[in-house]
Amino acid sequence: GAGVSQSPSNKVTEKGKDVELRCDPISGHTALYWYRQSLGQGLEFLIYFQGNSAPDKSGLPSDRFSAERTGGSVSTLTIQRTQQEDSAVYLCASSSGAEAFFGQGTRLTVV
Amino acid sequence: KNEVEQSPQNLTAQEGEFITINCSYSVGISALHWLQQHPGGGIVSLFMLSSGKKKHGRLIATINIQEKHSSLHITASHPRDSAVYICAVTAGTASKLTFGTGTRLQVTL
Repeated sequence: GAGVSQSPSNKVTEKGKDVELRCDPISGHTALYWYRQSLGQGLEFLIYFQGNSAPDKSGLPSDRFSAERTGGSVSTLTIQRTQQEDSAVYLCASSSGAEAFFGQGTRLTVV
Repeated sequence: KNEVEQSPQNLTAQEGEFITINCSYSVGISALHWLQQHPGGGIVSLFMLSSGKKKHGRLIATINIQEKHSSLHITASHPRDSAVYICAVTAGTASKLTFGTGTRLQVTL
């Protein structure tokens, strides 16, 4: 595609429910990143995929968070048993090794 | 202390003013990025640099590797430049970004 695509753009969920956020990176980009931006906070790293290598999960805040990247392309970030503190904008970015291109983000609200 | 520090946190300028945003970092880096985030919008990469200076339109970015410092300059500022400007660094090829807290710029008429 022309850019990084994320869906949904907005998601409201009840506390305790599971959610899945999707990222379609730019075709051919081997690196894919998930970041989170909480209200009034800066951006924080969550997880990074590079080709067929094991992902760098060092930024995931708890074991309720997981992500996978199928076929080296689309990625899904899953949050289980959502909590109110999970409310944030979740941003995906992809890269071919240099500049990173960001999606528009998914705004998650846990009520 | 954050690995990436930006100043100022907030900046208000009048249209036409020359603007400088500063970024200091404390780790070894392979590249430094300047990003722009408009309210409600996504993030756009403005520059990626590892040495020297880059210019794009009214935007100029410089980096001093020895001093671990970078500056983003906006010449002839305009209200449409109002956004959050974020400095971020990478420590290796295609590695994760470590972000500064951002500088919120408001340019008024």
